[in-house]
Amino acid sequence: NAGVMQNPRHLVRRRGQEARLRCSPMKGHSHVYWYRQLPEEGLKFMVYLQKENIIDESGMPKERFSAEFPKEGPSILRIQQVVRGDSAAYFCASSPQGGRRDTQYFGPGTRLTVL
Amino acid sequence: QQQVKQSPQSLIVQKGGISIINCAYENTAFDYFPWYQQFPGKGPALLIAIRPDVSEKKEGRFTISFNKSAKQFSLHIMDSQPGDSATYFCAAINQGGKLIFGQGTELSVKP
Repeated sequence: NAGVMQNPRHLVRRRGQEARLRCSPMKGHSHVYWYRQLPEEGLKFMVYLQKENIIDESGMPKERFSAEFPKEGPSILRIQQVVRGDSAAYFCASSPQGGRRDTQYFGPGTRLTVL
Repeated sequence: QQQVKQSPQSLIVQKGGISIINCAYENTAFDYFPWYQQFPGKGPALLIAIRPDVSEKKEGRFTISFNKSAKQFSLHIMDSQPGDSATYFCAAINQGGKLIFGQGTELSVKP
């Protein structure tokens, strides 16, 4: 009974490159959330997706960041033209039904370092 | 209105003592309040959660106390152990289903 899977666990990119972070939700979960944790800070919501739909992207930076959750395959968080300020831990969470009364289960995170 | 304020930022407790972490919120539309435990290099793990129609919930050594009128809730860890040393986050979930996290409390339990 695998939990939320994220890969890669560690990612190093140079400024200007692209970063792709993957998240496979728990079996039976169709709701995916992405959160970012900057050094010495709490977790901040980025985006909430269902299969093939973006439900809430109010926490996503307006430029360079995008997310998808296709019908088949993992959810992808994509960061184009990375900058040093993008260095953070990115966590994915999933839940079975979504919404305000549903428990979210977190993956181990992807730690992005931008050189 | 979307904030959750957490204190203290760090906490040192002797083994066997009680650890208390407090949180406060503004938005009365929040109606689910989970606590997450995070070890270094790991993802947050759900510890315990409460809904506002309940004033207290206990699971083993962990207890949440909830004061709806004051819009405050707290986590008590009884008989704290060195293995409890971690960062604890309170959170609230809003209408859209996204978690709003407190700033975190770094707990250190000394043997």
